[in-house]
Amino acid sequence: ETGVTQTPRHLVMGMTNKKSLKCEQHLGHNAMYWYKQSAKKPLELMFVYNFKEQTENNSVPSRFSPECPNSSHLFLHLHTLQPEDSALYLCASSQEVAARETQYFGPGTRLLVL
Amino acid sequence: AQSVTQPDIHITVSEGASLELRCNYSYGATPYLFWYVQSPGQGLQLLLKYFSGDTLVQGIKGFEAEFKRSQSSFNLRKPSVHWSDAAEYFCAVGARNTGFQKLVFGTGTRLLVSP
Repeated sequence: ETGVTQTPRHLVMGMTNKKSLKCEQHLGHNAMYWYKQSAKKPLELMFVYNFKEQTENNSVPSRFSPECPNSSHLFLHLHTLQPEDSALYLCASSQEVAARETQYFGPGTRLLVL
Repeated sequence: AQSVTQPDIHITVSEGASLELRCNYSYGATPYLFWYVQSPGQGLQLLLKYFSGDTLVQGIKGFEAEFKRSQSSFNLRKPSVHWSDAAEYFCAVGARNTGFQKLVFGTGTRLLVSP
């Protein structure tokens, strides 16, 4: 595997379910990101991790819980979501956390909350 | 805080015709500027980026972009569009300041290529 991979690619869940999204990067990067992509809205940065430490939480509701066990893996734990949380969730990585760094994106997880 | 505007939600171009996608930004200084492309079912891929120097930047897949400070613009161009260019294109702006540095993305322009 090369680049950034995400699993699952599609997920349907009820509002009372608990699920997790997984992201893995094979690029040797130190920074990883979660973004939310909704129709007709700009990409929303949710969380940033640098060397496994969370450096940014962009006022994300607590029903989204990130986890970064090492620099290559990033999880997004989901519980008691709302229908408005349905979106494409993108993971990205970069060499370091800096605006000049190119971010490499995974294909995303398409989430539908019923 | 920086912001970016992509005024065109959709653009349709005939195959072989030229393309220009508009991007305007708001920032107090010269920002880092990026264009990303997202094909259906895929994540975003970097086309090109501008940090400083020559204001005309060449990217992958035959794309180029020109930074115009006076117009706060960073428009993306391609002289001859191919059907495979149909995708969504995102302009992004990064701030050159201290503290946490994040990218701010535009809402995207969806490119349709007609035969």
